[in-house]
Amino acid sequence: EVKLVESGGGLVQPGRSLKLSCAASGFSFNDYWMGWVRQAPGKGLEWIGEINQDSSTINYTPSLKDKFTISRDNAQNTLYLQMSKLGSEDTAIYYCAREGYGGYLGYYFDYWGQGVMVTVSS
Amino acid sequence: DIQMTQSPASLSASLGETVTIECRASEDIYNGLAWYQQKPGKSPQLLIYNANSLHTGVPSRFSGSGSGTQYSLKINSLQSEDVASYFCQQYYNYPLTFGSGTKLEIK
Repeated sequence: EVKLVESGGGLVQPGRSLKLSCAASGFSFNDYWMGWVRQAPGKGLEWIGEINQDSSTINYTPSLKDKFTISRDNAQNTLYLQMSKLGSEDTAIYYCAREGYGGYLGYYFDYWGQGVMVTVSS
Repeated sequence: DIQMTQSPASLSASLGETVTIECRASEDIYNGLAWYQQKPGKSPQLLIYNANSLHTGVPSRFSGSGSGTQYSLKINSLQSEDVASYFCQQYYNYPLTFGSGTKLEIK
């Protein structure tokens, strides 16, 4: 069974940093692209970025690429999201997701974690 | 960026009915489209990928269709467990973008 468990969320002050983790199990982690998606309270879904199997390719949504850094540790089956210069607009549930391969069309999200809440407030 | 316009924003239907949710892309996405279901308080779950391929374990009453810039998700024989928000997402081009969602309720 594919399982993704996020951790590291919580209350953080504006301007500070926070690092989220996503522990993967039930599949061969180093065979898959992985991604992060967030959802502000009561809002829709926003793609943050993704990382390929050996970390040689990392893609971000342009508005976040200078604030967020995605990384992975294949030995630990763990995906990370380092967030810096946090503001109230970053308050959201953060989901990690495994990416399925749609052929030449690209990658979609075939399994999602339960999400972790990040609240940015003083 | 490719804009995904989803309609309707909300939908109320009776048990057993058939409902259709539409998603329009601002440019051709060549079937690089997924549909997700998000039940209240839960994470999104994949329903459909490549516009019309059913994800493993998804009931066959869900189906996807479309091409070019116009796509739809159809739910046949609506059941109570289908109460959820539904999102489309294009993955043909970066940045990946989602529709704004459709909230489905039972009448």
